Amino acid sequence: QSALTQPASVSGSPGQSITISCTGTSSDVGGYNYVSWYQQHPGKAPKLVIYDVSNRPSGVSNRFSGSKSGNTASLTITGLQAEDEADYYCSSYTGSSTWVFGGGTKLAVL
Amino acid sequence: QLQLQESGPGLVKPSETLSLTCTVSGGSINNRDSYWGWIRQSPGKGLEYIANIYFRGSTWYNPSLKSRVNISVDTSKNQFSLNLTTVTAADAAVYYCARQVGGSSQIDYWGQGTLVTVSS
Repeated sequence: QSALTQPASVSGSPGQSITISCTGTSSDVGGYNYVSWYQQHPGKAPKLVIYDVSNRPSGVSNRFSGSKSGNTASLTITGLQAEDEADYYCSSYTGSSTWVFGGGTKLAVL
Repeated sequence: QLQLQESGPGLVKPSETLSLTCTVSGGSINNRDSYWGWIRQSPGKGLEYIANIYFRGSTWYNPSLKSRVNISVDTSKNQFSLNLTTVTAADAAVYYCARQVGGSSQIDYWGQGTLVTVSS
């Protein structure tokens, strides 16, 4: 069970859009529509922002969206705001009711 | 509003067993749509799935930790617990308990996390 691959960092200016990728295999990301994304601010617990590839929990801004193509899932944030600066983690179901996370991406809002 | 709270020693000696408990409030651990789990985060590192349990006792483990991990549930106390044996410095981390929604990839409720240090 290897960690999913995410870029270490991405950056953008306020108002811009960014996309974070999450690459796995056909045994996890590519095999199931069970990919989720979490936002984590320093010293805080992760917060769910996208689940089941593209669904947004109640209360999460519609500036957050998710998609998947093959073995790669993506999180897009539009209209970047300073409060979006955080670490972002993807997660995927791997079968046998187990899960795997990505290594995390640090988003800087410049 | 569901709340999860981790408890347990913040310091464990190398080769000993790490034991943590998660107390669920604001809802029942017997909820048929809920799976309960542990996730950890080493300092400055990413998240790592450890294990999940269903209130009826079914368990699932990260293959890389399976030989050292046991997860259990106590429905009478609305709690679930984690035991990790033979710890090393590599097991030092913030340990989170969390709720995963069945039939979905949502891990929608998290505890605040508890820092466990491994040192003699």
